[in-house]
Formats: sequence, C-alpha cells, structure tokens
Amino acid sequence: QKEVEQDPGPLSVPEGAIVSLNCTYSNSAFQYFMWYRQYSRKGPELLMYTYSSGNKEDGRFTAQVDKSSKYISLFIRDSQPSDSATYLCVRLNDYKLSFGAGTTVTVRA
Amino acid sequence: DTAVSQTPKYLVTQMGNDKSIKCEQNLGHDTMYWYKQDSKKFLKIMFSYNNKELIINETVPNRFSPKSPDKAHLNLHINSLELGDSAVYFCASRASWGGNTGELFFGEGSRLTVL
Repeated sequence: QKEVEQDPGPLSVPEGAIVSLNCTYSNSAFQYFMWYRQYSRKGPELLMYTYSSGNKEDGRFTAQVDKSSKYISLFIRDSQPSDSATYLCVRLNDYKLSFGAGTTVTVRA
Repeated sequence: DTAVSQTPKYLVTQMGNDKSIKCEQNLGHDTMYWYKQDSKKFLKIMFSYNNKELIINETVPNRFSPKSPDKAHLNLHINSLELGDSAVYFCASRASWGGNTGELFFGEGSRLTVL
C-alpha cells in the first residue's frame, strides 16, 4: 500500500469553478503535509504546507487536514486557466517526503 | 540564477549503456534527493544524502549509484540501462534545519529515454 493515496483524475473544470482535490494516508504517526504544484515539463514547487488538523488558507487556496480520518484536501476557489497543473499531496516524516500520484487539473477558459 | 540545476535535461540512449546525471544546488542546503517520476506522474524517492552521507536508500536496483562529492552536488550513475529506467529523474534539495517545514526545491528534471 502506498503511503499516500491520491485520485489521479484527470479533472477538467470551467474557469471560476471550485476545484476539490483529496488524498488519504496510511501512517498515523505525527507528520506534516504539503501540496506541491507541477506544471508540464517543470519540477514540482511548494504550494502550501500544514501540520495540524483544520484549515489553512492562502489566497484562493485552502488546505484541510482531518487526522481522525487520515484525509488531506486542497480547494482552489475561483479557478483560473493558470491553475492548470498536476497537484501532488505530500507527507513529510523526518527526512522523507512521500508523494501521492498527483491529480492533473485543467481549467477551461 | 538557477537554484537546483540538473544536466543533462534530455538523454536518449541504448539499452545496456551506462549514463550519469549531475545535480548542483546553490541554496546552501545540506540535504539532497533523487526522485524518479514515471509516465503516470508518480514521484518515487530513490536516495537522499545529508551532508554527503546517505540517509535514505529505497529499494532501488544496485545498477543505480548516487555520489555526493560535497553538500552542493549529488550525481546519479546508472549502469546497464534497461527499458524500465525510462522516466524523468528529479533532483531536489532542502535545509534540514527547517525542521519538518523545510521546503523541498526541485530541479527541472532529466528526461531519460532508453531505446
């Protein structure tokens, strides 16, 4: 079983829609979570990180962690064509970052 | 000024050959990684070095040998290349003193195609 499970999509939404991305993880040890964004033919870059249950907001992006159900979510409000990318959820434990499979999102203009 | 740079960006080679990918970071980080991304976009950790010492070695064939001559460099040598080695290889670095919030910075990737 992978440490982080993520629905690979793909997901296609119209501009302005809310994008909802989800991951589940298997290890209950205290750990940090991140969301990375990867544009085509580029390396991933950090979007948000969180380490506690609840919500964290950054502009149009909200990261949510539910440790009781081992669920990680990312919401993108008022989505733009420039948000079209692959979104990867990541669990960080000590030195090791474990990536989900990534969900490819296309925002249609 | 590129933070994490990898060379070459593209590599096309025949089965059985030996090849190397180089990585350099100018961020002053002490920890570097190699990740493999397959055609389904799944990023799998291969190796990690902290201050030139190997700290993570996932189940990777011993045809893959990382080398870290100093904190700023982590190279990957692959012997006897196989078709299944075709993938994009990403180098990354982070500062371990950032604790568990230390951001991982990635290079642009090296796309390896084995024919």
